[in-house]
Amino acid sequence: DGGITQSPKYLFRKEGQNVTLSCEQNLNHDAMYWYRQDPGQGLRLIYYSQIVNDFQKGDIAEGYSVSREKKESFPLTVTSAQKNPTAFYLCASSIGTRGGWNEQFFGPGTRLTVL
Amino acid sequence: RKEVEQDPGPFNVPEGATVAFNCTYSNSASQSFFWYRQDCRKEPKLLMSVYSSGNEDGRFTAQLNRASQYISLLIRDSKLSDSATYLCAVNNYGGSQGNLIFGKGTKLSVKP
Repeated sequence: DGGITQSPKYLFRKEGQNVTLSCEQNLNHDAMYWYRQDPGQGLRLIYYSQIVNDFQKGDIAEGYSVSREKKESFPLTVTSAQKNPTAFYLCASSIGTRGGWNEQFFGPGTRLTVL
Repeated sequence: RKEVEQDPGPFNVPEGATVAFNCTYSNSASQSFFWYRQDCRKEPKLLMSVYSSGNEDGRFTAQLNRASQYISLLIRDSKLSDSATYLCAVNNYGGSQGNLIFGKGTKLSVKP
């Protein structure tokens, strides 16, 4: 089955620790995205990548880092510099390299809780 | 004016009712528009794409009004299973990123 997978589904972290969230897709999509969703809030863009080895900051990139070494993988690291990391993290991908022109499809998400 | 605005609801309707949601957007250059459905604690799932004046899929109809800069989603003959939060998304054409901007969602609750 083609799709987007994220792992882990739930993640607990102590303050001061960096954690990496996995996102893999086998849809052969060029573009990939990371969003954060807080209760009662819309999706906010953290980082996006339109091509391998290239990525751009979104609206709330501070405290996060990404890499795009392979087309199918776009891991997100939540660093200790992120002030309020507890949230629902969603990875998405789309066909085109012109972000916004093509539908984005989402993975099942990772719920991160900082203890 | 916020980039993409939706009435948060909740919309509480009986089964069989027709319900409509609106979503306004501020970027007049936006070219593509989407409706997503999000169930509680799940990821958004694409419901419909709206590339021209509108789109229909069974009980669901999406319309675009470029002059007034809004899109709408009409659900006819509501089912209990339609209960969810409906997000609209608009591409940020010409903006710094050219990506999708999401509204905060409208919550729908269909009652027996």
